[in-house]
Amino acid sequence: GAGVSQSPRYKVAKRGQDVALRCDPISGHVSLFWYQQALGQGPEFLTYFQNEAQLDKSGLPSDRFFAERPEGSVSTLKIQRTQQEDSAVYLCASSFLGNSYNEQFFGPGTRLTVL
Amino acid sequence: AQKITQTQPGMFVQEKEAVTLDCTYDTSDPSYGLFWYKQPSSGEMIFLIYQGSYDQQNATEGRYSLNFQKARKSANLVISASQLGDSAMYFCAMREGGNTDKLIFGTGTRLQVFP
Repeated sequence: GAGVSQSPRYKVAKRGQDVALRCDPISGHVSLFWYQQALGQGPEFLTYFQNEAQLDKSGLPSDRFFAERPEGSVSTLKIQRTQQEDSAVYLCASSFLGNSYNEQFFGPGTRLTVL
Repeated sequence: AQKITQTQPGMFVQEKEAVTLDCTYDTSDPSYGLFWYKQPSSGEMIFLIYQGSYDQQNATEGRYSLNFQKARKSANLVISASQLGDSAMYFCAMREGGNTDKLIFGTGTRLQVFP
């Protein structure tokens, strides 16, 4: 059974470059989340989709961050004009609405390093 | 204010012994859920156990149990019969009620199991 997959696993960008991070959730999962995990910290919420609707983007740190999920499955997190402080692991998670606690299944993450 | 507090940056335990990882939380929402995740060095977040705010009994999953003390707002994870493979980062997380399922994570506890 396929879990949540993310690509690329590692990305090195020069400061000022744009990057796009992809997340493939578990098939049938309605909810999709993006989190940012800085070194030595816990994950921090960025944004949340239910199907194609972005219901919460309160965690996006600036307008350089943009996320989409146009067909309600694959999602892309885009970061424009990357800065060094954007260096982190970006985790994607999905869940199936309907169980009692909506466990979130996480992908392996994309480690972004901005030079 | 910190919503999830994990006061133990690191813990050591001998193989086959039990260990308790502390977690306190802060919320005014009567409906919430508490989660524990394990993050090995590979980076993926692995769901361990869940406790709902209205659950009458403490949650258990195999060697994992959650010591839920609602009045103290604590949700400590107990791992019995520790194994070398339990060495990892452990994160406590909370989901509040409302129209988003986002998780709020603590800063984590690094557990090291020694022979």
